[in-house]
Amino acid sequence: SQTIHQWPATLVQPVGSPLSLECTVEGTSNPNLYWYRQAAGRGLQLLFYSVGIGQISSEVPQNLSASRPQDRQFILSSKKLLLSDSGFYLCAWTQAGAGWMNTEAFFGQGTRLTVV
Amino acid sequence: KNQVEQSPQSLIILEGKNCTLQCNYTVSPFSNLRWYKQDTGRGPVSLTIMTFSENTKSNGRYTATLDADTKQSSLHITASQLSDSASYICVVSHSGGGADGLTFGKGTHLIIQP
Repeated sequence: SQTIHQWPATLVQPVGSPLSLECTVEGTSNPNLYWYRQAAGRGLQLLFYSVGIGQISSEVPQNLSASRPQDRQFILSSKKLLLSDSGFYLCAWTQAGAGWMNTEAFFGQGTRLTVV
Repeated sequence: KNQVEQSPQSLIILEGKNCTLQCNYTVSPFSNLRWYKQDTGRGPVSLTIMTFSENTKSNGRYTATLDADTKQSSLHITASQLSDSASYICVVSHSGGGADGLTFGKGTHLIIQP
């Protein structure tokens, strides 16, 4: 069966420090991968998605970047965190060849990031 | 502009009671609608997915309805349990949309009291 792992679960970082959140999927090949941010009282906001290794699409211009160095690994990074980067970050995946329209989407457990 | 509005924003009910959560959307053209349950500090988990032609879909004590004409959906929870305490998120996707073809509601925060 397929599983998705996301870590760390919680993170407290000072302003200006770098960030690296990692997400890996097991049990499937060539998944579509997504990073979302969920701010308090807000809906999920799509940050990045990837349909293959090295293929990253950015939805929102911001202080963050994403990379997909391996088929089932998706990394969210920042060189210098801002206070506004605080939030709950979620990784998700869908089956290869299908977007959100046609298939189930599975989320990781999330990372609570607090920038101080 | 595609929008998904959920109501109420929060709800408190006693254990064993029923409740109904609402979702109104203006997404067009419509593809499907999903309800997700999100426990505090966890990722969302899918409850139901409904396409244009489906009016009702059940998953245990959860029953979702869809009225594509009025662009409304509801999630009915029967005989609530303490474990139902969570946020419930309505997500609507539009035809032809890729990874960005989704619109998320802000969720309804449900609290079940013993």
